[in-house]
Amino acid sequence: KQEVTQIPAALSVPEGENLVLNCSFTDSAIYNLQWFRQDPGKGLTSLLLIQSSQREQTSGRLNASLDKSSGRSTLYIAASQPGDSATYLCAVDNQAGTALIFGKGTTLSVSS
Amino acid sequence: DAGVTQSPTHLIKTRGQQVTLRCSPISGHKSVSWYQQVLGQGPQFIFQYYEKEERGRGNFPDRFSARQFPNYSSELNVNALLLGDSALYLCASSFQGYSNQPQHFGDGTRLSIL
Repeated sequence: KQEVTQIPAALSVPEGENLVLNCSFTDSAIYNLQWFRQDPGKGLTSLLLIQSSQREQTSGRLNASLDKSSGRSTLYIAASQPGDSATYLCAVDNQAGTALIFGKGTTLSVSS
Repeated sequence: DAGVTQSPTHLIKTRGQQVTLRCSPISGHKSVSWYQQVLGQGPQFIFQYYEKEERGRGNFPDRFSARQFPNYSSELNVNALLLGDSALYLCASSFQGYSNQPQHFGDGTRLSIL
């Protein structure tokens, strides 16, 4: 059974810091991995989708890497801003490729 | 273009009652998925529908059911509500529902069971 773990559970940093969020999964037989952002009381916003043939994806200040063999992904946020404060969720697909299996998320707080 | 819309936004029910949640996907998207998110946890997969057919089901009891209509909107029904059903119910749409396509989520329905 696929399990997704995110470390740390919570993180507080001052504005301007670069930071790394970690995601690990137990079954390396995945097709894709996605990172999402969730603001309090809101739905999920897709940040980055890494397909199995890719090793990383970049969008603005965000960079996500994927190492399938070790069952790990990292989300790198450069020059953090207070507006980055949110919960970040990592998800991998199930064997059928039709559902997402999520971690519990990392709650990030960036202070000005 | 409108994003994924869900209704109602909030709902309060008592144990034993039944509830219907609704979801309208992004125009052109033919797949809808439902997830349950309990406070402090990541979302858990309930159902996926594509072209009105169920294509996937998570580990939820038969009290949970869903359907998709010809216009690709969807309803999630939960019978015999339990306190543990209190959660944020999220709907996601994508073109065909495969994981290599970005999933677009609505803001969810917050269900509280008293």
